[in-house]
Amino acid sequence: SQTIHQWPATLVQPVGSPLSLECTVEGTSNPNLYWYRQAAGRGLQLLFYSVGIGQISSEVPQNLSASRPQDRQFILSSKKLLLSDSGFYLCAWAQREKDTGELFFGEGSRLTVL
Amino acid sequence: GQNIDQPTEMTATEGAIVQINCTYQTSGFNGLFWYQQHAGEAPTFLSYNVLDGLEEKGRFSSFLSRSKGYSYLLLKELQMKDSASYLCAVTDSNYQLIWGAGTKLIIKP
Repeated sequence: SQTIHQWPATLVQPVGSPLSLECTVEGTSNPNLYWYRQAAGRGLQLLFYSVGIGQISSEVPQNLSASRPQDRQFILSSKKLLLSDSGFYLCAWAQREKDTGELFFGEGSRLTVL
Repeated sequence: GQNIDQPTEMTATEGAIVQINCTYQTSGFNGLFWYQQHAGEAPTFLSYNVLDGLEEKGRFSSFLSRSKGYSYLLLKELQMKDSASYLCAVTDSNYQLIWGAGTKLIIKP
């Protein structure tokens, strides 16, 4: 069966510090991968998605970046965090050959920038 | 533009029935999802509709009318554990999910 994990689950970072969130998927190959952010009481905002190694599409201009160094690994990074980067970050994957678009989410990472 | 509307918050009583509505305007349509999200947790899949009509799954049912751009999620025999946010999402012509802001459902004893 397929699983998805992301870490860390919780982190508190000062403004201006770097960020790295990691996500890995097991039990499937060639997945589409996604990074979402959810601000408190708000809907899901798509940040990045990837259809393959090294292929990243950015949906929102910001100080965040994403990388996909391996087929089942997706990393969200920032060189200098802003207060507005606080939120709940979710990694997700979808089967490319199952064209319903259904997403399977990781556990989430709660980031607080102080 | 693409838009999905659902009520921000609803309150219902344990044991009762509640209907959460979702209307959408998207560039193309390839299906509609309902997800449940408990506070502080990731969303989990509830239902998927691609054809008009009602899909029933235990206490939860989801309805779709493509001509009206409308869906609802029906929850029966409400339990306290059903207190959560319910997210409506539509797959557009590019098979990307467009998300509503979610409906926070509060269940009272």
